[in-house]
Amino acid sequence: DTAVSQTPKYLVTQMGNDKSIKCEQNLGHDTMYWYKQDSKKFLKIMFSYNNKELIINETVPNRFSPKSPDKAHLNLHINSLELGDSAVYFCASSQGINMNTEAFFGQGTRLTVV
Amino acid sequence: GNSVTQMEGPVTLSEEAFLTINCTYTATGYPSLFWYVQYPGEGLQLLLKATKADDKGSNKGFEATYRKETTSFHLEKGSVQVSDSAVYFCALIGYGGATNKLIFGTGTLLAVQP
Repeated sequence: DTAVSQTPKYLVTQMGNDKSIKCEQNLGHDTMYWYKQDSKKFLKIMFSYNNKELIINETVPNRFSPKSPDKAHLNLHINSLELGDSAVYFCASSQGINMNTEAFFGQGTRLTVV
Repeated sequence: GNSVTQMEGPVTLSEEAFLTINCTYTATGYPSLFWYVQYPGEGLQLLLKATKADDKGSNKGFEATYRKETTSFHLEKGSVQVSDSAVYFCALIGYGGATNKLIFGTGTLLAVQP
């Protein structure tokens, strides 16, 4: 069983479209995250949810809207996609908002905007 | 603010060579320090961690010691294998306010040749 799973793994879409990436974890964790990894492998946190509540919201354009229907899911919806949104997006989870415990990452979603 | 600096890659080594990947950090207080590894096409996995000064994290032959006096957490392995080829990320928990964030360095690509 995959601990943190994301779908789709690859996403190619045109500028201006709206797309969603789904994430599910079966670890029983109460905290989930979205990270963006750019072409130079730099990783930056975008959002964090604890028990379905938003606790971290970095300076991300409001075209990005996370949604957490329950503790096990954190989806990322992106409106009006731009070329600069092309990246690999990683979902992660951990137990508690204190990330002293291990964070488990999904395999990533490679988004390409053309 | 909190930040992590790692040596630029790529690092190319022959099998059984000694590995060092340098990592230094800037943080207030006493952060926890981590090394994550990303194998090709996969998400990040925790490799090792240290939560206080002078702690040594170790796993799979890799080691790193939390040095507060030099604000460093260098990753070492005595004899690398081809299967160690991956991107290695140094990270810290940035304590601040009511939330903690896992802050990553830029990653170092390690390529081990047979």
